[in-house]
Order: sequence, then C-alpha cells, then structure tokens
Amino acid sequence: AQSVTQPDIHITVSEGASLELRCNYSYGATPYLFWYVQSPGQGLQLLLKYFSGDTLVQGIKGFEAEFKRSQSSFNLRKPSVHWSDAAEYFCAVGAETGANNLFFGTGTRLTVIP
Amino acid sequence: DAGVIQSPRHEVTEMGQEVTLRCKPISGHDYLFWYRQTMMRGLELLIYFNNNVPIDDSGMPEDRFSAKMPNASFSTLKIQPSEPRDSAVYFCASSFQGARNQPQHFGDGTRLSIL
Repeated sequence: AQSVTQPDIHITVSEGASLELRCNYSYGATPYLFWYVQSPGQGLQLLLKYFSGDTLVQGIKGFEAEFKRSQSSFNLRKPSVHWSDAAEYFCAVGAETGANNLFFGTGTRLTVIP
Repeated sequence: DAGVIQSPRHEVTEMGQEVTLRCKPISGHDYLFWYRQTMMRGLELLIYFNNNVPIDDSGMPEDRFSAKMPNASFSTLKIQPSEPRDSAVYFCASSFQGARNQPQHFGDGTRLSIL
C-alpha cells in the first residue's frame, strides 16, 4: 500500500543557507508525488507536483524537488532559505488504486534563524 | 477569487454536544475532502466527495461522525456526541478533477476543542 515517510520532524537552518527536506515513498507503480506547505494557522498550499517526465520539478517560491525512483525519494530543495519559508512541509503521494485522494506524510517543521 | 471557506474558525464546546463544521468549496470544483490534523496522527483523510456523492468514508473514525454535501457549494461535517479526543483542526479542501491530477485547495481550518 502507498505511504510516505518524512524522517525529519524538525529542521533548523540559517537564513540564506540551502535546504533539503527528505521524503521517501512506498508505491507499486509510478507515483503521483506532491509537496505542500502549511503556514501557522492556515491550510496547506501546493508547492509542486510530479506525475511523469523530467525528474526535477520546479515549484513556487523557489522550491524544487527531484524524483529518484531507485531511492524511492522525492526530496524538496531550496538553494537559499528566507525567513518567510518557516512553516510545516508535507510530502504526499496519490492513491495507488487510482482513487482521487492523497496520503500525506507526518510533516517536517522548518525553523529559520536569522 | 474566493478560496475554500470554512466556518467556524474556532469552536469550543463541552463533551456530549453536537458539533457542526461547515465548508464552502471553490466554485467549479467537483471534489471535496475533509481532513483532521492532530499532533499525534498528523493529517488524516476522513471522507471525500465527487459531484456531491461520498466516494470514500473509510477514514471516518466512528459512527459519531457524519458528513453531507447537499449541493456543490456546501458541505458539513457533524460530530454527535462529541468527545475530548475529537479535539483537532479540521480542514476542508476542494479540487477540480481530483487530488491526483490537480492541486487541492485548503481552507484555513476549524480548530475544535472539546472540553
């Protein structure tokens, strides 16, 4: 069955430093993969998505993610973090059955220090 | 363009009371999702609708929970009777053509506290 693991519960980076958030998935076929961001007191917002094709996908706010089938990973990256990037980040995978719902990871909370 | 609208934003009530959460999806979206978010369990899908019809309610924790979508612009999630363990943030989300193909648009959530 499909599932997503985000091994890092909390990450702290300095403003201007690079960022990589890890996501590992379990899925029988080619997965539909997503990264969402949640700011405090708000709902989730889509950052980027991967369906097929180019394994490096670009998203909003300067984020990108790379799909690596051999490692079952879909890590999120940003070359230079801004203080406004402090939030909770969720990786998600589409249902294997073709049903139109997603399975979310437990999230990684990002703290940015000046 | 209005996003997904949830009401109330906060609800505090006593155990045993009926709680009704409301959601207005984005106009034109044919899928609607209800999620519950807690520290312990993360983000859980409770139920989702397609064209106002419930498709998968396997995430609904108990018979105390029920959800309806009487028309394309309104949905409710009801808990009766409520219990302290139901305390969580409840999110409604909508999408066009389903979450696999299109992004889900989330409301700002209802923070529910059951005393």
